[in-house]
Amino acid sequence: DAGVTQSPTHLIKTRGQQVTLRCSPKSGHDTVSWYQQALGQGPQFIFQYYEEEERQRGNFPDRFSGHQFPNYSSELNVNALLLGDSALYLCASSSSGVETQYFGPGTRLLVL
Amino acid sequence: EDQVTQSPEALRLQEGESSSLNCSYTVSGLRGLFWYRQDPGKGPEFLFTLYSAGEEKEKERLKATLTKKESFLHITAPKPEDSATYLCAVQGSGGGADGLTFGKGTHLIIQP
Repeated sequence: DAGVTQSPTHLIKTRGQQVTLRCSPKSGHDTVSWYQQALGQGPQFIFQYYEEEERQRGNFPDRFSGHQFPNYSSELNVNALLLGDSALYLCASSSSGVETQYFGPGTRLLVL
Repeated sequence: EDQVTQSPEALRLQEGESSSLNCSYTVSGLRGLFWYRQDPGKGPEFLFTLYSAGEEKEKERLKATLTKKESFLHITAPKPEDSATYLCAVQGSGGGADGLTFGKGTHLIIQP
């Protein structure tokens, strides 16, 4: 049973560029949440997708956007990258109505 | 606004030396309190979900407990492979929040 998968594992971008990160949820899960984790900090909630719609959003600017596909996989897009966007981006999946979220291995983004 | 504070920030123990990690929280209507283990550069690994005060869960050398204001992760006779950062998170029901609010974690080192 495959767990949550994310791609790519690492990414290097320059300021002002745009990036797309991808996530496939655990089998049987229909809800995907995205988190940003800076070095030495706990993950911070970006947003959550369910039934192809953004259900809830954390305190992140509109430069952060997402999408969920009919097969429940999801993308996170970040426009106009800033140096401060350098972080580990985590995807978590869950089943609607069940609180426990399972995390993927993350994508390490470095903005130069 | 939901808040989570973990203590201590770091803890160094000898192999076999039992201890406890603390997670203090404030939340509007607790839907769940979660413990995760995170190894360097990897995604959080799910350990426990606790739903109500008085609840306890165990897994190998780990035991999680919950009161109305805090949770403890007890580690009994730890081994070097228990070295990791342990993250605590809450999910509240205020405003239909679905994202998890994390603490900064406790960095645990078990010396042989």
